[in-house]
Amino acid sequence: DSGVTQTPKHLITATGQRVTLRCSPRSGDLSVYWYQQSLDQGLQFLIQYYNGEERAKGNILERFSAQQFPDLHSELNLSSLELGDSALYFCASSFRDRGRTEAFFGQGTRLTVV
Amino acid sequence: GDSVTQMEGPVTLSEEAFLTINCTYTATGYPSLFWYVQYPGEGLQLLLKATKADDKGSNKGFEATYRKETTSFHLEKGSVQVSDSAVYFCALSGAAGNKLTFGGGTRVLVKP
Repeated sequence: DSGVTQTPKHLITATGQRVTLRCSPRSGDLSVYWYQQSLDQGLQFLIQYYNGEERAKGNILERFSAQQFPDLHSELNLSSLELGDSALYFCASSFRDRGRTEAFFGQGTRLTVV
Repeated sequence: GDSVTQMEGPVTLSEEAFLTINCTYTATGYPSLFWYVQYPGEGLQLLLKATKADDKGSNKGFEATYRKETTSFHLEKGSVQVSDSAVYFCALSGAAGNKLTFGGGTRVLVKP
């Protein structure tokens, strides 16, 4: 158990809908990262928050947004969903915000858009 | 930018065989290097890490050595078990970076 909790584990929704994925980082970790894992794209970094502030953006679509709350949990919001958004979404956490640090991953949320 | 290249799978082995998964990287400065493992239906687990040149990371019989001269971090295990069947990801975290950069993953299947 990594200590990172993601909910829900599975989500099935229709095209055009909006969903929210939730992540609670390991106790003491201040950074939260979101990754998307799909068969054709591998693991893609989406976005990072550190202590409530956005620190880095990767290949995140404009339809997607995230935030980190004062209690350090994070939410990833996906809107106007398309079939191609079906993927595993992972949250990871670390203590530091940058610099040669490992991250600890949750079990992921499997999103299926039908 | 940073990048990681690892051998494509699937790699199919018999139990007790020797496993090597090649990983090379491109990065500015001196990154930390990691191997993560993803068992079926689960998230990524940190398997081992190395933070400077010539460091050897090891865990659960797996080893990898940080080779700066060849920019490589190959994963090895001397005798695999069926329970080692999983997808293995090589990753790096740069000195100035905010994130882990992953290779494409290598699926390993160990047959009894």
